[in-house]
Amino acid sequence: GAVVSQHPSWVICKSGTSVKIECRSLDFQATTMFWYRQFPKQSLMLMATSNEGSKATYEQGVEKDKFLINHASLTLSTLTVTSAHPEDSSFYICSARSQNYGYTFGSGTRLTVV
Amino acid sequence: DAKTTQPPSMDCAEGRAANLPCNHSTISGNEYVYWYRQIHSQGPQYIIHGLKNNETNEMASLIITEDRKSSTLILPHATLRDTAVYYCIVRFPLNTGNQFYFGTGTSLTVIP
Repeated sequence: GAVVSQHPSWVICKSGTSVKIECRSLDFQATTMFWYRQFPKQSLMLMATSNEGSKATYEQGVEKDKFLINHASLTLSTLTVTSAHPEDSSFYICSARSQNYGYTFGSGTRLTVV
Repeated sequence: DAKTTQPPSMDCAEGRAANLPCNHSTISGNEYVYWYRQIHSQGPQYIIHGLKNNETNEMASLIITEDRKSSTLILPHATLRDTAVYYCIVRFPLNTGNQFYFGTGTSLTVIP
């Protein structure tokens, strides 16, 4: 089956610094990847959709200059949280879509900004 | 994509069947019903999906009403490891279109 690896699984960073989260499809090529954010006791909120080789499409209310998404290859997408603040602390989850496997989700990254 | 309505929480005794309902009265003819679950602090996991007919796999069964306006996910013998939030999602086939939105889901607690 399809596997999506997300790294790191957790990270603590200081306020004002940037953090990069990687999402890799291990055994399939993903033309489209998705990034979600989840606050405690809430559902997953779609942040952006990225297609390989093109700019990401952000959901309404998501700052594209703060959440930089790069999808440079068919197996890797990265989310960079720039100038992180405590309110950015959240659980970030990526998903990769393929023709054969549909949507496969990563295991998530717990970001804590102190 | 059609909107879904699920109860916010349910309890189920270990070993018994867990029946999780989902209403999707605005579903269109080409939209599928997908079920995912999320165990605490993990990514969502695919369970099952269907269009019209009832479906069964090693994890669960999916019962879709004849008018397709509602469905029920059945975990035949719930275990403690089935404690999770279960999401019912209605959308066009996964290999079409973009975006995959989650609703509020049902938090299932399996009780020993």
